[in-house]
Amino acid sequence: GIQVEQSPPDLILQEGANSTLRCNFSDSVNNLQWFHQNPWGQLINLFYIPSGTKQNGRLSATTVATERYSLLYISSSQTTDSGVYFCAVAGNAGKSTFGDGTTLTVKP
Amino acid sequence: GAGVSQSPSNKVTEKGKDVELRCDPISGHTALYWYRQSLGQGLEFLIYFQGNSAPDKSGLPSDRFSAERTGGSVSTLTIQRTQQEDSAVYLCASSRVGQGYEQYFGPGTRLTVT
Repeated sequence: GIQVEQSPPDLILQEGANSTLRCNFSDSVNNLQWFHQNPWGQLINLFYIPSGTKQNGRLSATTVATERYSLLYISSSQTTDSGVYFCAVAGNAGKSTFGDGTTLTVKP
Repeated sequence: GAGVSQSPSNKVTEKGKDVELRCDPISGHTALYWYRQSLGQGLEFLIYFQGNSAPDKSGLPSDRFSAERTGGSVSTLTIQRTQQEDSAVYLCASSRVGQGYEQYFGPGTRLTVT
C-alpha cells in the first residue's frame, strides 16, 4: 500500500512565526487531504488538495503530485493552531492512509 | 447541515464483552469509513462502504471485528470478545462520491476495555 511520511514529527513555535509541514507519499494519489486534530480529538478538514495550490486565510497548501509531496504552510501562527496535523492520501476511491502527524505547539 | 455523528461518545467495557459503535453519516454521502486511533498514534483504516458494493474489509484486525451498514446510511461497528488492545478512539467518516472523496469525520467513540 501507499506509504505516507510526515515531517517534522514535532514543531514548537513562538506565536507569530511561520512554519512549513511536509507530507511525502510513495505512489500516485487521487485524493490528498490535510487535517488538524484539535485537543479534543476532532479532525478538522483543512484542505482537499490532490494537486495544485490552495489558500485559506493564514493557511495554504501545495501538492506536487508528480514529485509525490505536499506542503502545508502556516503563517503568523496563533496558539489556537496547536494540535496535530495529519496528511491523508488515497490511491483510488476508498480507504485513506494517514501519516503519523506533526504535533505543533505554538507558545504565546 | 448536520455533520457525521457517532454514539456513544465514550464506552467503558470489561474484557470479553461485546460492544457496538454507531455512525450516522452526512445525509447524501454514499461512502462511509471506519478508522481507529490508538493513543498518540495516527489513524488506522478498518473498513469502507461504498453504495451497494461489497465493503472493503481489508483493515479489520481480526474476525472479532465486523461492521454493517443498513439502508445505505447508518453503520454499526461491532467488536466481539473485547480485548485490552482494542482500547482506542474509533472514528467514522463519510464522503460524497463524485466530489473527490473528501472525507468528513465524526467526533469519535472512545473505547476503554478494562
